[in-house]
Amino acid sequence: DADVTQTPRNRITKTGKRIMLECSQTKGHDRMYWYRQDPGLGLRLIYYSFDVKDINKGEISDGYSVSRQAQAKFSLSLESAIPNQTALYFCATSALGTAEAFFGQGTRLTVV
Amino acid sequence: GENVEQHPSTLSVQEGDSAVIKCTYSDSASNYFPWYKQELGKRPQLIIDIRSNVGEKKDQRIAVTLNKTAKHFSLHITETQPEDSAVYFCAAGGNNRLAFGKGNQVVVIP
Repeated sequence: DADVTQTPRNRITKTGKRIMLECSQTKGHDRMYWYRQDPGLGLRLIYYSFDVKDINKGEISDGYSVSRQAQAKFSLSLESAIPNQTALYFCATSALGTAEAFFGQGTRLTVV
Repeated sequence: GENVEQHPSTLSVQEGDSAVIKCTYSDSASNYFPWYKQELGKRPQLIIDIRSNVGEKKDQRIAVTLNKTAKHFSLHITETQPEDSAVYFCAAGGNNRLAFGKGNQVVVIP
């Protein structure tokens, strides 16, 4: 089945370290998104991309960067991780012309 | 940008009763309103959606209603079952991006 795959699924890292979360999809969708989920705060958009040359900031982009290496790959980087970036991170995709989002399994990141 | 509010934050219902979750949105240009269900430890998954040219949509035990004038939409779950226990997210947007509510924890008591 076509899917959205995130790696790693779980990661513990130290404050100040650089870390990359990766997302790949076999759905053939043009649009990819990174969300962060915190208890009581729902899903907040970090960055999104509509094609390989397109990068857009979401509502909470500070402290994060992204790279859209190919249509199927969208990675999220924390240049210098801090404890309040501890959260569950979801990648999502959608097809051109629709807004229905398909989520990956999530990456649980802990910054100590 | 779009702002989505979701109430209540937690809802407990007896098995077999109905559950209703309400959301409000701010941007009158939004034309797509999906609901996602997230079971514990899993990814959010779409359960039903509605577009702005429709007032109500049903799919078995779940339904969504939309009031564009008042800018609110609701999820209705009838004959609740234990497997309906989850966090439910509403969202609003257009063809480009969605804004999500903070989620409702629904607990179905057997």
